[in-house]
Amino acid sequence: RKEVEQDPGPFNVPEGATVAFNCTYSNSASQSFFWYRQDCRKEPKLLMSVYSSGNEDGRFTAQLNRASQYISLLIRDSKLSDSATYLCVVNSNTGTASKLTFGTGTRLQVTL
Amino acid sequence: EPEVTQTPSHQVTQMGQEVILRCVPISNHLYFYWYRQILGQKVEFLVSFYNNEISEKSEIFDDQFSVERPDGSNFTLKIRSTKLEDSAMYFCASRDRNQPQHFGDGTRLSIL
Repeated sequence: RKEVEQDPGPFNVPEGATVAFNCTYSNSASQSFFWYRQDCRKEPKLLMSVYSSGNEDGRFTAQLNRASQYISLLIRDSKLSDSATYLCVVNSNTGTASKLTFGTGTRLQVTL
Repeated sequence: EPEVTQTPSHQVTQMGQEVILRCVPISNHLYFYWYRQILGQKVEFLVSFYNNEISEKSEIFDDQFSVERPDGSNFTLKIRSTKLEDSAMYFCASRDRNQPQHFGDGTRLSIL
């Protein structure tokens, strides 16, 4: 089983649509969770951290279910500028290392 | 907003040659990382560095790779004898204690 698994997409949605991405992770000892956004041939940029209580940042809502080892991202009222690859990222704290494990990403294309 | 900076943006090298990729992490950050992303694949962890030593390294980070923080500001990745399969984007990242990692905009390494 992959350490972090995502549907690669692409998800093609019209402007204004709501879109949801899902992710599962295999390491139950993982301690922190993130969504990063990556534009084509650019660096990953932190979109938001994901907390067990769920958290929202404007049009973006992230949820974590530790029992199911499942993470989600909901984007409401999608904009053309939301077109990117969304990376589900898990932090495995191993002493001071705190390395990130990335999913392959889910590509989103928002169209007019 | 402070940024992680990487140089060069693109490095072209003959197979078998040594290459050094340079990074300047965010100034008050304590933890430093290198990741790579082969074209079309996911971001992969290479190595983490804290308190002037390697905290953890992946299977990819073999004897051909080394890291150094020579002067308190730069953080370098050296590949001693490059191979064709080393062609990838290399991302440096840094973070402060208990904070998410922030990525530089990467160095594209092309091995001929």
